[in-house]
Amino acid sequence: EAGVAQSPRYKIIEKRQSVAFWCNPISGHATLYWYQQILGQGPKLLIQFQNNGVVDDSQLPKDRFSAERLKGVDSTLKIQPAKLEDSAVYLCASSLDPHSMNTEAFFGQGTRLTVV
Amino acid sequence: LAKTTQPISMDSYEGQEVNITCSHNNIATNDYITWYQQFPSQGPRFIIQGYKTKVTNEVASLFIPADRKSSTLSLPRVSLSDTAVYYCLVGERLTGGGNKLTFGTGTQLKVEL
Repeated sequence: EAGVAQSPRYKIIEKRQSVAFWCNPISGHATLYWYQQILGQGPKLLIQFQNNGVVDDSQLPKDRFSAERLKGVDSTLKIQPAKLEDSAVYLCASSLDPHSMNTEAFFGQGTRLTVV
Repeated sequence: LAKTTQPISMDSYEGQEVNITCSHNNIATNDYITWYQQFPSQGPRFIIQGYKTKVTNEVASLFIPADRKSSTLSLPRVSLSDTAVYYCLVGERLTGGGNKLTFGTGTQLKVEL
């Protein structure tokens, strides 16, 4: 079974530039998560989708971050404009059944963003 | 939202059993307890999930007392490859469906020869 695919793996941009990350979850998974992981910290949830609807975006900095999930499958996360403190690994994860108590999510390898 | 507290780091030797305890005093009735493992430069990986008493799989055991205010992840006979960060999570059911998975700072386990 194919895992969660993310691209690019690495990205270096200058502050105030824009950047976008792409995620392709495991086929059939209804829930999609985007996390931000700063070096030395645990992953921080930015946004959670159920199919193509947002169920939680309470920690998404909406003045600069946006995300969408087209047709309930692929998702993109965008930062515009980027700040130095956005340097982090951006992780995408998916899980199968939103009606289940199963808390198993599958993570991609992440995109490492460096803002200079 | 139930906050979790776990040790920042632990050291062990190959072949030993490692127990990592997590406290979650404000756990809600419908919340499940989940543990993830993360290696450097990789995304977290699900280890085990439980609601009460004891759960065991091929990788670990999870012990949850009756009051559910804490849980202990047990790794039998660790090896060097178990060196990783271990996260304890309490899954929060969302109104719109699905479980919100909130990670804390985790426990860095270092296994030596």
